[in-house]
Amino acid sequence: EDQVTQSPEALRLQEGESSSLNCSYTVSGLRGLFWYRQDPGKGPEFLFTLYSAGEEKEKERLKATLTKKESFLHITAPKPEDSATYLCAVQAINGSGNTGKLIFGQGTTLQVKP
Amino acid sequence: EAQVTQNPRYLITVTGKKLTVTCSQNMNHEYMSWYRQDPGLGLRQIYYSMNVEVTDKGDVPEGYKVSRKEKRNFPLILESPSPNQTSLYFCATKGAHHNEQFFGPGTRLTVL
Repeated sequence: EDQVTQSPEALRLQEGESSSLNCSYTVSGLRGLFWYRQDPGKGPEFLFTLYSAGEEKEKERLKATLTKKESFLHITAPKPEDSATYLCAVQAINGSGNTGKLIFGQGTTLQVKP
Repeated sequence: EAQVTQNPRYLITVTGKKLTVTCSQNMNHEYMSWYRQDPGLGLRQIYYSMNVEVTDKGDVPEGYKVSRKEKRNFPLILESPSPNQTSLYFCATKGAHHNEQFFGPGTRLTVL
């Protein structure tokens, strides 16, 4: 069964304290792995797509990496405005090709204190 | 401006009273999808539509129906809502060549 697990569930950091969020996945075939940011009461906002092991993407203080079993979202010198829930999702491939199914992890809620 | 709109944004209803949540996108995207979000369970996909001719079940389709008669609209129908369908619902869309999903603002549904 396709599955996505994120850890930790919650993370509290001091401003400037770098850390990483983990997303472990098991899928029959990976089409893509996605990272989203979600602020309270709002819809998720797209951050990155990763397609193959070894791939890395960066955006401001965020860097996403991918291996065959997991992805990391590294946050360098975070600021209070980085506080949000970060969601990881995978899109699987079946025997017929791409599927429209997207499986989300439960998210990591990040709080950055000034 | 690229937009995904959902209506209503908030709804309180009673068990068994049929309701429809509308979703509309102005990006000319083929793919649309519905999710529900519950504390501790994360985002779970209800239905998705690859295009106006193809609609398929996600992980939690029971108790829901969808309709895709035209590209821009993808309504979510609850024929006989029950309290366990109380949740925050999101509609999303994406283009053919990009995997970035654009999410709507959400509809908070309470079934009494």
